Amino acid sequence: DAKTTQPPSMDCAEGRAANLPCNHSTISGNEYVYWYRQIHSQGPQYIIHGLKNNETNEMASLIITEDRKSSTLILPHATLRDTAVYYCTVPYGSSNTGKLIFGQGTTLQVKP
Amino acid sequence: DAGVTQSPTHLIKTRGQQVTLRCSPKSGHDTVSWYQQALGQGPQFIFQYYEEEERQRGNFPDRFSGHQFPNYSSELNVNALLLGDSALYLCASSPWIRRDQPQHFGDGTRLSIL
Repeated sequence: DAKTTQPPSMDCAEGRAANLPCNHSTISGNEYVYWYRQIHSQGPQYIIHGLKNNETNEMASLIITEDRKSSTLILPHATLRDTAVYYCTVPYGSSNTGKLIFGQGTTLQVKP
Repeated sequence: DAGVTQSPTHLIKTRGQQVTLRCSPKSGHDTVSWYQQALGQGPQFIFQYYEEEERQRGNFPDRFSGHQFPNYSSELNVNALLLGDSALYLCASSPWIRRDQPQHFGDGTRLSIL
């Protein structure tokens, strides 16, 4: 199975950018990378996804390396409400609606 | 526009019992996936349903079974419950035809086995 590797924890000062890295060296050419976050044991909340190009939405930016073996999620101005577990996921299977492979994620602590 | 809804939110069972969890997908979605999340771990894929058929399955025993209804809602059934089945069970939905679109998750059912 394709899998992802993330640092277990990171700290970020409130108002600063949070940069969360992820390695997905076994990703296939047509598989997207999806980022989710989970707060207080709620369900994972979708943040952003990408294939090859960098992506930006109202929540975050996603930078994908040219070889697609790693990516970085950027929260441009972190707030205390961004404290959560962040998961980088890739699908496994013949389609992108296949099972998502979750690692243990990165616990981001945003500090005042 | 309602998102993914799951019921019940919490459930307590004893070993050996059977349980049924329910999920209604996000409007416009026809594919439902189920995940198990143990405390402190990432979600683990159980199986996926589309057109009322199981399309993919993770490494879970046959005690875990599912069903999808014509209205795309789904059930997860677990028989002969074990203490290790205690977890948060998550349902996610997505559109089959738009395979780049992300799965959207419900808030889960917290199952505790005594």
